[in-house]
Amino acid sequence: DAGVIQSPRHEVTEMGQEVTLRCKPISGHNSLFWYRQTMMRGLELLIYFNNNVPIDDSGMPEDRFSAKMPNASFSTLKIQPSEPRDSAVYFCASGQGVTEAFFGQGTRLTVV
Amino acid sequence: GQNIDQPTEMTATEGAIVQINCTYQTSGFNGLFWYQQHAGEAPTFLSYNVLDGLEEKGRFSSFLSRSKGYSYLLLKELQMKDSASYLCAPDAGNNRKLIWGLGTSLAVNP
Repeated sequence: DAGVIQSPRHEVTEMGQEVTLRCKPISGHNSLFWYRQTMMRGLELLIYFNNNVPIDDSGMPEDRFSAKMPNASFSTLKIQPSEPRDSAVYFCASGQGVTEAFFGQGTRLTVV
Repeated sequence: GQNIDQPTEMTATEGAIVQINCTYQTSGFNGLFWYQQHAGEAPTFLSYNVLDGLEEKGRFSSFLSRSKGYSYLLLKELQMKDSASYLCAPDAGNNRKLIWGLGTSLAVNP
């Protein structure tokens, strides 16, 4: 298996633009997580899906952030409009049951 | 509230042993994960402790005391490639919500 695949790896965008991050989880995994990582705050869970259903989105910063999982093999995280404070590395991770989560390589987002 | 405490930085010498401590306070608890993260890369799983005690896995061991809200990661026979950040993450219970510490940046010197 190729592991969790995220795209793009790097994204530079202007403030106010829409940003869409994409994730393909490992086949057979029923849990999917979106995380944001910054130096100041570390890793923060944004949203958790189980069997494609959002279970916990309490970490989503505000209405500008939205996430979808239309099927078991694809998820998106959208920021609209983007702001400079959204600059961070965004990780997608997938897992099965109570086992460990496997992380993708992340998307480094820079909003200027 | 939820709180994780681990040292920000540690330095050790190649071939030595180092212990990275983590104390936590969470509203619920199922177990505790340790992850390793090299600079610019994704976190990778090291261990998951559910029961009290020490679990050994090669050069790495992880210890948990649920009553004390305490865990440590023990790295033996340190190698240069062990230079990385080590993240402590209690599974706080509901919906597998992991609470992540800021990580301990370990530098292994020759």
